Amino acid sequence: GAVVSQHPSWVICKSGTSVKIECRSLDFQATTMFWYRQFPKQSLMLMATSNEGSKATYEQGVEKDKFLINHASLTLSTLTVTSAHPEDSSFYICSARPTLFRDRGKVWEQYFGPGTRLTVT
Amino acid sequence: GEDVEQSLFLSVREGDSSVINCTYTDSSSTYLYWYKQEPGAGLQLLTYIFSNMDMKQDQRLTVLLNKKDKHLSLRIADTQTGDSAIYFCAEMMGRGSTLGRLYFGRGTQLTVWP
Repeated sequence: GAVVSQHPSWVICKSGTSVKIECRSLDFQATTMFWYRQFPKQSLMLMATSNEGSKATYEQGVEKDKFLINHASLTLSTLTVTSAHPEDSSFYICSARPTLFRDRGKVWEQYFGPGTRLTVT
Repeated sequence: GEDVEQSLFLSVREGDSSVINCTYTDSSSTYLYWYKQEPGAGLQLLTYIFSNMDMKQDQRLTVLLNKKDKHLSLRIADTQTGDSAIYFCAEMMGRGSTLGRLYFGRGTQLTVWP
């Protein structure tokens, strides 16, 4: 149990285009999902907290108009990188936290997707 | 703050124990985590410890928490070559709608030699 998927696993796009990345919790409901980015040989940097049915909370320094987050259901959050540029090339990882009321024993566990490698040319 | 520090590299021989250390700065952290990342993959939750605990053991893994010194360690007994990976320490922060935010250290690259 506790599987999180991401799609696509890798994507190459041209500068100026937009790319959507999906994050799904497959066997549990997740009111809250998180988006991270990771540069080579570096740590994960939290970008934003996504709550189902409400606006995402962005970390300081993350452009909300560039990284659009939508969390329309308890099992799906999407990150859209708009007008992508080469400096947006990175490994994007999502995580999902089981919903408080449904999986009380696991509420403090957080499960990560396999990541999406974005390359902007 | 949310600074989490880890040493970057650790090498051990197969069969030995590995100890990966981590320090964090925020005393209000409620949960502390250890994740494992293999090349090109996402993060695998290994274990976590609540801040009112001193120790947690799970098979080959032992987590020690010194809250006074804000020091966390992960001991892997009988380390195997398959344990070679990057290990991340993380502290959980946030309140309300941002509860569950994790702040990560830079990761420790564990290399296990046969």
